[in-house]
Amino acid sequence: QKEVEQNSGPLSVPEGAIASLNCTYSDRVSQSFFWYRQYSGKSPELIMSIYSNGDKEDGRFTAQLNKASQYVSLLIRDSQPSDSATYLCAVNISNRGFQKLVFGTGTRLLVSP
Amino acid sequence: NAGVTQTPKFRILKIGQSMTLQCTQDMNHNYMYWYRQDPGMGLKLIYYSVGAGITDKGEVPNGYNVSRSTTEDFPLRLELAAPSQTSVYFCASSYNPGQPYNSPLHFGNGTRLTVT
Repeated sequence: QKEVEQNSGPLSVPEGAIASLNCTYSDRVSQSFFWYRQYSGKSPELIMSIYSNGDKEDGRFTAQLNKASQYVSLLIRDSQPSDSATYLCAVNISNRGFQKLVFGTGTRLLVSP
Repeated sequence: NAGVTQTPKFRILKIGQSMTLQCTQDMNHNYMYWYRQDPGMGLKLIYYSVGAGITDKGEVPNGYNVSRSTTEDFPLRLELAAPSQTSVYFCASSYNPGQPYNSPLHFGNGTRLTVT
């Protein structure tokens, strides 16, 4: 089982719709969860972080965390063509007393005008 | 505030050549990471460091070496370049990722490496 898993997509949604991106992880004691957005040829940029069960909203973005199910998701409301990018889920994984951030393979989102 | 600085931005190597990718950060972060990203793929962890003098392997360490003599610098060494190492390399840093609110990664702009 991969440490962090995402559907690679592409996920296609029309402009104005809600895009739902999902991520599962293997380490039951993980505490920190992040969503990064990456445009083609650019570095990943942090868009959301979540540390507690439940929802966290920031503008058009909502992150949802369910530690019991080891599941984290990202909702993008009122999707815009500029949201078209690859979205990377990252989770902290414990490793012999140290922590490291592990990324999923990313989900490519395409928002059509 | 420069953040995370990587050099060079681009490099073409011949098979068997060696090179060092430089990474420096000025945020006093104790954790530093090297990732590689192949076309259309996610980020794979090569090596990471939890502080000066302490490094550990990630998912794909073969063919690479690292050192961490200072808090600021975390160079990645390729000793015998192979075509399979053609990729984009990202350096990143953070505070302790095990401590919530201290752990988001700050990325450099990447190094695009081609081995032919």
